[in-house]
Amino acid sequence: GQNIDQPTEMTATEGAIVQINCTYQTSGFNGLFWYQQHAGEAPTFLSYNVLDGLEEKGRFSSFLSRSKGYSYLLLKELQMKDSASYLCAVRLNTDKLIFGTGTRLQVFP
Amino acid sequence: EADIYQTPRYLVIGTGKKITLECSQTMGHDKMYWYQQDPGMELHLIHYSYGVNSTEKGDLSSESTVSRIRTEHFPLTLESARPSHTSQYLCASSETLAGGTEQYFGPGTRLTVT
Repeated sequence: GQNIDQPTEMTATEGAIVQINCTYQTSGFNGLFWYQQHAGEAPTFLSYNVLDGLEEKGRFSSFLSRSKGYSYLLLKELQMKDSASYLCAVRLNTDKLIFGTGTRLQVFP
Repeated sequence: EADIYQTPRYLVIGTGKKITLECSQTMGHDKMYWYQQDPGMELHLIHYSYGVNSTEKGDLSSESTVSRIRTEHFPLTLESARPSHTSQYLCASSETLAGGTEQYFGPGTRLTVT
């Protein structure tokens, strides 16, 4: 079966740094995606990792360790608009995506 | 900027009605997908297509059907709506490239069956 685990909820303060973890056990692996989803809206792409290591894109960075089945999304200099759900998704060898339940992040002033 | 559209955005309909949710993309993507998402829950793949005249069922059993007669159009049909079909339906598309690319999502259709 396929299993993707993320914390359900996290809170942080404006200007801080937060790390959202994702662990996965899937039958096949062809990359890991992070998406941001504001309430009632569609997911939007944040990052993609297929090789081990860190990918940095502005205030957001994503890390992957394939041997550990582990990824994290790092958000720096948090802003109020970063309050959203963050979805971890694994692409299987069939090119389909399996999504985690998402981590709901609340940023407080 | 992704150009993928879904209509209607919101739909309230009675049990037993036939409905079609529309999805169109103007990016020329070969691959298209339908997901179902309940509030606070994960996205579940219900149908996908890798090109014209190609459709497959996803991981979540669904009573809906899809068709892919044109590259840009991937409608989803429920022959007889039931309250259990109440959910958000998200359409997505992606390119076919070595190594793959991200999926672009439409704004979604929020369906309520009374």
